[in-house]
Amino acid sequence: RKEVEQDPGPFNVPEGATVAFNCTYSNSASQSFFWYRQDCRKEPKLLMSVYSSGNEDGRFTAQLNRASQYISLLIRDSKLSDSATYLCVVNPPLTGSARQLTFGSGTQLTVLP
Amino acid sequence: NAGVTQTPKFRVLKTGQSMTLLCAQDMNHEYMYWYRQDPGMGLRLIHYSVGEGTTAKGEVPDGYNVSRLKKQNFLLGLESAAPSQTSVYFCASRLSGGSETQYFGPGTRLLVL
Repeated sequence: RKEVEQDPGPFNVPEGATVAFNCTYSNSASQSFFWYRQDCRKEPKLLMSVYSSGNEDGRFTAQLNRASQYISLLIRDSKLSDSATYLCVVNPPLTGSARQLTFGSGTQLTVLP
Repeated sequence: NAGVTQTPKFRVLKTGQSMTLLCAQDMNHEYMYWYRQDPGMGLRLIHYSVGEGTTAKGEVPDGYNVSRLKKQNFLLGLESAAPSQTSVYFCASRLSGGSETQYFGPGTRLLVL
């Protein structure tokens, strides 16, 4: 089983739609959780951290369910510029000060005009 | 600030050739990482460094060596390239302390024939 699993998509949605991505992680002792965004042929960039209480940043909402080992990302009112690959990222335990991250393989989103 | 830079951007090698990928950061970050990204696999950690003069193995270190002689530079070496090392290589850096955000370079695309 992969440490971090995501539905690869692709998700093709019209502008203005709401879309949700899910991610599961295998290590129940994982400490920190993130969503990174990666544009085509570019480097990953942090989109948002995911907190136990859930958090929102504009049109983006992230949720964490520790009991189910499940992370979600909701994008409301999708824009063409949201088209990208969204990477679910987990900081598993026992990585010490180096804080090594484990990346999912990504979910591809295309927002259509 | 340039952030994280990588050279070269693209390289074609023949099997058995050697090369060095250079990563440089001007953010005074302690931690630096080398990843490779392959289709459907997500980013996998090759080697990392928690400070000048220190390096450690990641998830997929075989066939690679690294050096961190200066704080701002992290070099990734391929002594004898193999077609299986065809990939996109990303370097990342991070501050020590509380923030876990990793900042990525633009990537190096390597093709081994």
